Amino acid sequence: GAGVSQSPSNKVTEKGKDVELRCDPISGHTALYWYRQRLGQGLEFLIYFQGNSAPDKSGLPSDRFSAERTGESVSTLTIQRTQQEDSAVYLCASSLNFILAKNIQYFGAGTRLSVL
Amino acid sequence: DQQVKQNSPSLSVQEGRISILNCDYTNSMFDYFLWYKKYPAEGPTFLISISSIKDKNEDGRFTVFLNKSAKHLSLHIVPSQPGDSAVYFCAAILSNYQLIWGAGTKLIIKP
Repeated sequence: GAGVSQSPSNKVTEKGKDVELRCDPISGHTALYWYRQRLGQGLEFLIYFQGNSAPDKSGLPSDRFSAERTGESVSTLTIQRTQQEDSAVYLCASSLNFILAKNIQYFGAGTRLSVL
Repeated sequence: DQQVKQNSPSLSVQEGRISILNCDYTNSMFDYFLWYKKYPAEGPTFLISISSIKDKNEDGRFTVFLNKSAKHLSLHIVPSQPGDSAVYFCAAILSNYQLIWGAGTKLIIKP
């Protein structure tokens, strides 16, 4: 497709289970970003990829969160042993490269994660 | 500590009038600001940006003003249209790749 695609669009899981969220960026975009948005709050930066490497992982909330990217394309965000506070919308964005002052970020519609 | 603040959770404006959305920031190192618009069940879409070397940037019905001394920026939409009803986010670039986002303002355009 032409835009950023995320799957699933909704995920309901039980506390303690692992979840995997997927992002397909726009073809040719080398930079990919993951954000989390809790209800009534702004977007919270989690991690970004330049190519397949993640130079800055400092935004990941805990060691239960991890992300990878392969083939300079698809990325997965994995949350292990989910907790109720992980409930949020997880947004993925991509851009041509990581210099945001010169490159627009394009966002997917997000995955709404609900941890019961 | 919120570095980018949008103090109005919502704003209601009559169609055809001017909408003014405000944003304040605390970090004087921010030198580039962006506004995004978000419809329900969709991701944010880029609207307009401004560099700190400017005090105004205009794109059609949308104008962003930056007051560096007050650490304040605003987005003006004139005339407001029903399709402008959405949540508007202000964001600032921290380093090359990281955006710091405000909590958003929900704009409602009344017919």
